[in-house]
Amino acid sequence: DSGVTQTPKHLITATGQRVTLRCSPRSGDLSVYWYQQSLDQGLQFLIQYYNGEERAKGNILERFSAQQFPDLHSELNLSSLELGDSALYFCASSGRQESSYNEQFFGPGTRLTVL
Amino acid sequence: AQSVSQHNHHVILSEAASLELGCNYSYGGTVNLFWYVQYPGQHLQLLLKYFSGDPLVKGIKGFEAEFIKSKFSFNLRKPSVQWSDTAEYFCAVNAPGGYNKLIFGAGTRLAVHP
Repeated sequence: DSGVTQTPKHLITATGQRVTLRCSPRSGDLSVYWYQQSLDQGLQFLIQYYNGEERAKGNILERFSAQQFPDLHSELNLSSLELGDSALYFCASSGRQESSYNEQFFGPGTRLTVL
Repeated sequence: AQSVSQHNHHVILSEAASLELGCNYSYGGTVNLFWYVQYPGQHLQLLLKYFSGDPLVKGIKGFEAEFIKSKFSFNLRKPSVQWSDTAEYFCAVNAPGGYNKLIFGAGTRLAVHP
């Protein structure tokens, strides 16, 4: 157990819908990262937050957005869902200081299926 | 832009065989390098990491990796694999100052047969 929790574990929805994925980082971690794992794209970095502020963006679609709340949990919002958005979405968290030397701890992931 | 290549997509070994998984990255500057493992149905776990110093890095569960700067490589090795090593292995890189975002390779699926 990494200490990072994600809910829900599984999500099945229809095209055009909107969903929210939730992540709680390890106690004391200030950074949260979102990654998408799909068969065709592999593991891709989506976005990073540090202490409530967006820090870096990767290959995140405009239909996707995220935020980190004052209690440091984070939500990833996916809207106007398409079949191709079906994937495993991982959240990771890392240390109290903003540093590229911090190990990232990964949550169990949310498996999203868009029908 | 940084990228990571893992040349072996699927590897099948018998128990006690030696393992070497290739990883090459493209980035001209200083990098941090990682190997993560994902056991079936589980989350990603860090096997080992390289930031600086001794290019031969030892990780958990008997794994090690060697950073060869001239070859832009960070290959993962284990002298004798076990059935429990069956998993997917990901090489990843980040660049200092890049806010710690990880760039992952495509992964290598390892199947170890008893």
